[in-house]
Amino acid sequence: DQQVKQNSPSLSVQEGRISILNCDYTNSMFDYFLWYKKYPAEGPTFLISISSIKDKNEDGRFTVFLNKSAKHLSLHIVPSQPGDSAVYFCAAIDGNKLVFGAGTILRVKS
Amino acid sequence: NAGVTQTPKFQVLKTGQSMTLQCAQDMNHEYMSWYRQDPGMGLRLIHYSVGAGITDQGEVPNGYNVSRSTTEDFPLRLLSAAPSQTSVYFCASSYTTNEKLFFGSGTQLSVL
Repeated sequence: DQQVKQNSPSLSVQEGRISILNCDYTNSMFDYFLWYKKYPAEGPTFLISISSIKDKNEDGRFTVFLNKSAKHLSLHIVPSQPGDSAVYFCAAIDGNKLVFGAGTILRVKS
Repeated sequence: NAGVTQTPKFQVLKTGQSMTLQCAQDMNHEYMSWYRQDPGMGLRLIHYSVGAGITDQGEVPNGYNVSRSTTEDFPLRLLSAAPSQTSVYFCASSYTTNEKLFFGSGTQLSVL
């Protein structure tokens, strides 16, 4: 049973518009979340993280929002660029482990 | 800076063969882990280690062994390969689990 769920397998967005990637989790004990980005034939790379003591964290074009009561987080990319086309994984820290979602493929069309 | 180095990049095995996927990091990270990536399943943790001499199981450990004799190296052994182990394998490391993970570039394994 997946504890971190990314229910949208793919998302297509026009260049310059906002991309919103969603993630839900089931374990209310999770208190630290991360987003990773993965290009084909490469390993994932860290993008942005958020602690449960915050509800928002921003880094340039990337903002992560956390809604603890809904057990939901989202990654906003504004403005989206063709180079953002990749697979995005949401992850939660569970003790000594990192639990990943299934990923969302983002395609940014120019 | 090499970061996390995985070898080989590609491997084809026959059912029943054994092999070792190599992983080395030069960042003096205490934490190392192995994941497999399968379509629709995301990244699933196989085994992890919080330091030399210490290993533990992840979500999908069956059919795999690990050891951590040094801080730098964390090899993954497939004891008797099965077609269900066809996957892309990633090694990752970090200072602690609360730090961001650094991933290797992956090993694509096919078991026929």
